[in-house]
Amino acid sequence: GAVVSQHPSRVICKSGTSVKIECRSLDFQATTMFWYRQFPKQSLMLMATSNEGSKATYEQGVEKDKFLINHASLTLSTLTVTSAHPEDSSFYICSAGGPTSGGVETQYFGPGTRLLVL
Amino acid sequence: KQEVTQIPAALSVPEGENLVLNCSFTDSAIYNLQWFRQDPGKGLTSLLLIQSSQREQTSGRLNASLDKSSGRSTLYIAASQPGDSATYLCAAPTSGTYKYIFGTGTRLKVLA
Repeated sequence: GAVVSQHPSRVICKSGTSVKIECRSLDFQATTMFWYRQFPKQSLMLMATSNEGSKATYEQGVEKDKFLINHASLTLSTLTVTSAHPEDSSFYICSAGGPTSGGVETQYFGPGTRLLVL
Repeated sequence: KQEVTQIPAALSVPEGENLVLNCSFTDSAIYNLQWFRQDPGKGLTSLLLIQSSQREQTSGRLNASLDKSSGRSTLYIAASQPGDSATYLCAAPTSGTYKYIFGTGTRLKVLA
């Protein structure tokens, strides 16, 4: 089946630094990818929709200047957490629309990236 | 707006038991529904995906059913093992989109 990878899988950084997380569709192209985050002991929440070649669409309450999304190619979307602070520590997951299953486009999820800001 | 609820929030069972995890959703106009497993501190592992035209999917000891009319899905785990201990999440997309709404999960512990 289709595979979505994320890099890095785990990152620790100092407060004030920026961190870039990559989401790649390995064997298919995706014009749209989605970014989610999961705070400790909570469920995953959609952050934004990443659109290839155009600006990302952010969900209500998500700061676009804080979470920069770039979807430069059909196989890569990046999420940059700018000036990270401890409250940004979370689990970030992406998904990408891939090969159809039963005639319907299916979303494939990456394994996630765990960010810890000290 | 899609809302996804999972019951129970936590479950502890002895090894070997068959068990059922429940997921309900409010908007039945979905393309599919997915079940995931998440181990502590780890990422998501996709378990089963059920398309809207399907009623169930099976993978090994796992069987997931989907009833769109009632807004429910169940994940059946047969002959549970300690290695099945994890949090199980279901996710359904918001109507007409590929934006998934996740349930809060069921934390399963299978005792040896």
